Amino acid sequence: EAGVVQSPRYKIIEKKQPVAFWCNPISGHNTLYWYLQNLGQGPELLIRYENEEAVDDSQLPKDRFSAERLKGVDSTLKIQPAELGDSAVYLCASSLGVASTDTQYFGPGTRLTVL
Amino acid sequence: AQTVTQSQPEMSVQEAETVTLSCTYDTSESDYYLFWYKQPPSRQMILVIRQEAYKQQNATENRFSVNFQKAAKSFSLKISDSQLGDAAMYFCAYRSFLNYGGATNKLIFGTGTLLAVQP
Repeated sequence: EAGVVQSPRYKIIEKKQPVAFWCNPISGHNTLYWYLQNLGQGPELLIRYENEEAVDDSQLPKDRFSAERLKGVDSTLKIQPAELGDSAVYLCASSLGVASTDTQYFGPGTRLTVL
Repeated sequence: AQTVTQSQPEMSVQEAETVTLSCTYDTSESDYYLFWYKQPPSRQMILVIRQEAYKQQNATENRFSVNFQKAAKSFSLKISDSQLGDAAMYFCAYRSFLNYGGATNKLIFGTGTLLAVQP
């Protein structure tokens, strides 16, 4: 069974440029998460989707970050414009649902470097 | 708000030896889940072990076991017979048992412990 797929794995951009990350969750997983992992830190939740609905986006900086999950499968996270402080790893995870027993499975992440 | 603390930024163990990674947490909830995740250099986070707070028995998965002390809010991971492939960053994480009002089922992570395995 394929795991969570993310692309690109690495991205280097100049500040003020836009950037987008793509995530394909495990087949059949209704819940999708985007996490931000700063260097030397644990991941922090940015946004959670239940199917195509964003049900928890309280930690998403909405002035420059946006996300979508059309058709409730793939998801895209966008930053526009990027700032130096956005350099980090962006992790996508998915789970069957939100039941207490549902395990979150993580993708390999996208490492973003903003110059 | 819940917090997770890992006070050991780095640990080292000899191959075939045993190592224990520490984790403490703070919560006012009585029911919750605790996890240990492993993140190898390739950066794909992998679930190592999980513990339900309502279970008194410590979880075990092959060479990995936990020491869960609910009253002390402590959740340590013991790796027995350490192997070179165990070298990675290990994260302790907390999740609420239910969607309490205003809460989510998000994972709350500690800052991680980087484990090196010496041959």
